[in-house]
Amino acid sequence: SQQGEEDPQALSIQEGENATMNCSYKTSINNLQWYRQNSGRGLVHLILIRSNEREKHSGRLRVTLDTSKKSSSLLITASRAADTASYFCATAGSSNTGKLIFGQGTTLQVKP
Amino acid sequence: ETGVTQSPTHLIKTRGQQVTLRCSSQSGHNTVSWYQQALGQGPQFIFQYYREEENGRGNFPPRFSGLQFPNYSSELNVNALELDDSALYLCASSSSNDRYNEQFFGPGTRLTVL
Repeated sequence: SQQGEEDPQALSIQEGENATMNCSYKTSINNLQWYRQNSGRGLVHLILIRSNEREKHSGRLRVTLDTSKKSSSLLITASRAADTASYFCATAGSSNTGKLIFGQGTTLQVKP
Repeated sequence: ETGVTQSPTHLIKTRGQQVTLRCSSQSGHNTVSWYQQALGQGPQFIFQYYREEENGRGNFPPRFSGLQFPNYSSELNVNALELDDSALYLCASSSSNDRYNEQFFGPGTRLTVL
């Protein structure tokens, strides 16, 4: 079963704009990871945020985590056409057994 | 450092057949997890292998089985294939020394069952 709910399901923006994707989850977590997937290919690991962290940056990516609301957001600044992809959040449970639970994903289209 | 590799890239089978998918873990990683991703869905955890043993399993029937070898590579076997087994199969490797279990995925094997 899917733990994460991602919002929106689809997002279309112009190149240069910022894109924000949200993820909500249901149970306590050890960490939350964001992945990108191009056209049904493999998942590319973007960023991991630990349960005791509130914000993390990596290049044009900014991830926030609010454990009280069981939610996370991924912000991509100054988007490029190459950012067009599906984005997934995945949670590792507090017992950190190794199982990641994925959301349904947000499909982002960046128009040149 | 080599990344996670999977073979084959694509595979077409008929209902009732058996299939074996292969995964080589990233250099320095000793744990392999397998996921099934149906079209338009997020990946779903099948199982994880560590020290050549199954170390956690998702909600998949016993006809999904696996192996891990001493070099940490892994196989996913699916018996008695059903149409609903058509999906992208992803493996991910990680290190048991990583307390945060950061997982890195291969390119996937796309299985079509006719």
